[in-house]
Amino acid sequence: DSGVTQTPKHLITATGQRVTLRCSPRSGDLSVYWYQQSLDQGLQFLIQYYNGEERAKGNILERFSAQQFPDLHSELNLSSLELGDSALYFCASSPQLTGQYGYTFGSGTRLTVV
Amino acid sequence: DQQVKQNSPSLSVQEGRISILNCDYTNSMFDYFLWYKKYPAEGPTFLISISSIKDKNEDGRFTVFLNKSAKHLSLHIVPSQPGDSAVYFCAARSNFGNEKLTFGTGTRLTIIP
Repeated sequence: DSGVTQTPKHLITATGQRVTLRCSPRSGDLSVYWYQQSLDQGLQFLIQYYNGEERAKGNILERFSAQQFPDLHSELNLSSLELGDSALYFCASSPQLTGQYGYTFGSGTRLTVV
Repeated sequence: DQQVKQNSPSLSVQEGRISILNCDYTNSMFDYFLWYKKYPAEGPTFLISISSIKDKNEDGRFTVFLNKSAKHLSLHIVPSQPGDSAVYFCAARSNFGNEKLTFGTGTRLTIIP
């Protein structure tokens, strides 16, 4: 157990729908990062939050949004889902503002859009 | 624009031999490099890292080498063990404001008993 908890582990939904992925960071970590891994692709950075505020943004689609709550858990909202959104979505956390010393990843949420 | 590249999608190595995984990058602003290991159905796990001011970092059976002039790093595992079979991701961090890690596409390492 890495200490980073992601729920749900698996999600199957239809095109056009909206889903919410949840992440609880490791205790004491203030930074939360979201990554997407599509088939045969590396980990694509989506967005980072630090202590409740958006800190860095990657190639996140406008249909996707995220937030970090006062208790530091984070949610990634995916709307108007398309087949191409099927992927593994990972959350990671780190104690500091920067990822210099590496992140701790959760086990991911596998999203299947049918 | 793939700033971190792992050109070998897969690698098979005999148990007990050396495994060498390679990674190339294009962004000269990267100042920290990391390797992650990923088993099926699990998230990536941090393995070893190296600062751009060093050319080698060792941790037990794992050694990372950095060649800044060639923009190349490699991970050496010796001796290789069956439990090392996993996907290995190379990652890099820029020192210029952007704090995210940029990952390569991964290399699947299979250790043959």
